[in-house]
Amino acid sequence: DAGITQSPRHKVTETGTPVTLRCHQTENHRYMYWYRQDPGHGLRLIHYSYGVKDTDKGEVSDGYSVSRSKTEDFLLTLESATSSQTSVYFCAITTSGNEQFFGPGTRLTVL
Amino acid sequence: QQQVKQSPQSLIVQKGGISIINCAYENTAFDYFPWYQQFPGKGPALLIAIRPDVSEKKEGRFTISFNKSAKQFSLHIMDSQPGDSATYFCAASKTGGSEKLVFGKGTKLTVNP
Repeated sequence: DAGITQSPRHKVTETGTPVTLRCHQTENHRYMYWYRQDPGHGLRLIHYSYGVKDTDKGEVSDGYSVSRSKTEDFLLTLESATSSQTSVYFCAITTSGNEQFFGPGTRLTVL
Repeated sequence: QQQVKQSPQSLIVQKGGISIINCAYENTAFDYFPWYQQFPGKGPALLIAIRPDVSEKKEGRFTISFNKSAKQFSLHIMDSQPGDSATYFCAASKTGGSEKLVFGKGTKLTVNP
């Protein structure tokens, strides 16, 4: 699992509330990513980070923000959750060998 | 947005048969092509990957075939087993930068006993 954990693993929230998902890695990898997975869409990149405080947008970044204040933690925030953000969220890292490994996922439901 | 197109969307094979999943890409700068296997409720797991300097890579029952001129690559699962039933994703990226993967939309494989 490349030492990746995600929290929480499941969350149910209401429209308009803020939500923060956490990704934690134990192996000091430089690159970290947040994806969402939806039926029929595969995996889509939300944001990624290439170092502490260095982040950039992915394909579906609207409505999401990220922060990385420490190498090991990459946070994904939904400032005001909407029903369209109901999804499974995966964090990933890239190793020095350019292989990308995924965390176990967080299932988010926005009512 | 550079795309990776994956087919078929779903595939049913009998135990012992060969499963074949195909992907096509557009960006000729892509130089890393991994396949991921995902079981329900789990994260995608890296299965096998290839770079364009070789046309084929084999790991156990899993083989990637790569056709650079056609911009296509495929996953072959030999002697398919019920335990191979999962969703498979192809992906592509350009190394040397942020290593952002572009994923196909997935193929749900069912191997009947």
